[in-house]
Amino acid sequence: DVKVTQSSRYLVKRTGEKVFLECVQDMDHENMFWYRQDPGLGLRLIYFSYDVKMKEKGDIPEGYSVSREKKERFSLILESASTNQTSMYLCASRRFTGAEETQYFGPGTRLLVL
Amino acid sequence: GQNIDQPTEMTATEGAIVQINCTYQTSGFNGLFWYQQHAGEAPTFLSYNVLDGLEEKGRFSSFLSRSKGYSYLLLKELQMKDSASYLCAVRDWGAAGNKLTFGGGTRVLVKP
Repeated sequence: DVKVTQSSRYLVKRTGEKVFLECVQDMDHENMFWYRQDPGLGLRLIYFSYDVKMKEKGDIPEGYSVSREKKERFSLILESASTNQTSMYLCASRRFTGAEETQYFGPGTRLLVL
Repeated sequence: GQNIDQPTEMTATEGAIVQINCTYQTSGFNGLFWYQQHAGEAPTFLSYNVLDGLEEKGRFSSFLSRSKGYSYLLLKELQMKDSASYLCAVRDWGAAGNKLTFGGGTRVLVKP
């Protein structure tokens, strides 16, 4: 079974804090993704990574950065958290081969920025 | 860019059938996915269509018409545990990394 884990299920931070969200997958997948999910807006892609040390901006990268030093780990960084970054953050991974390859999601991190 | 539309909410009765429609506009269609997401949980993969027609998987079926930019997910013999959000997602050849773009999701409420 594919397993994608995220470091925290719930997180409360203050405005201006630096926040790290960690995601680990155990299936040797090349591609990894970070999304945020907000009511009425659906899942929106923040950043993704093709492979180690490779990263690409998604649809809403502003205010975020990422790090992929090891294949199994993809970190999302909020340099200075703001209240509009309160959201559910979902990590996903996918094998690179095959047109029908699907993404597998982690359980999500619900972040509250006060 | 891509535009994906699906209804916000649907209600159905246990044992009945519900059809969730999804329309999309994309420049380089490369597959359509349906995911199920229970409240507070991660989305899980349900189905994939890249060619026109119907794909059946037990109680769930998914249909695609590429010429119409249209798909639907059909849920038969509804059970209470089917109450969840259903997400339509489209993959685009032109998008970097073959990334998926998701619709807003359809919340399905199954009543006894």
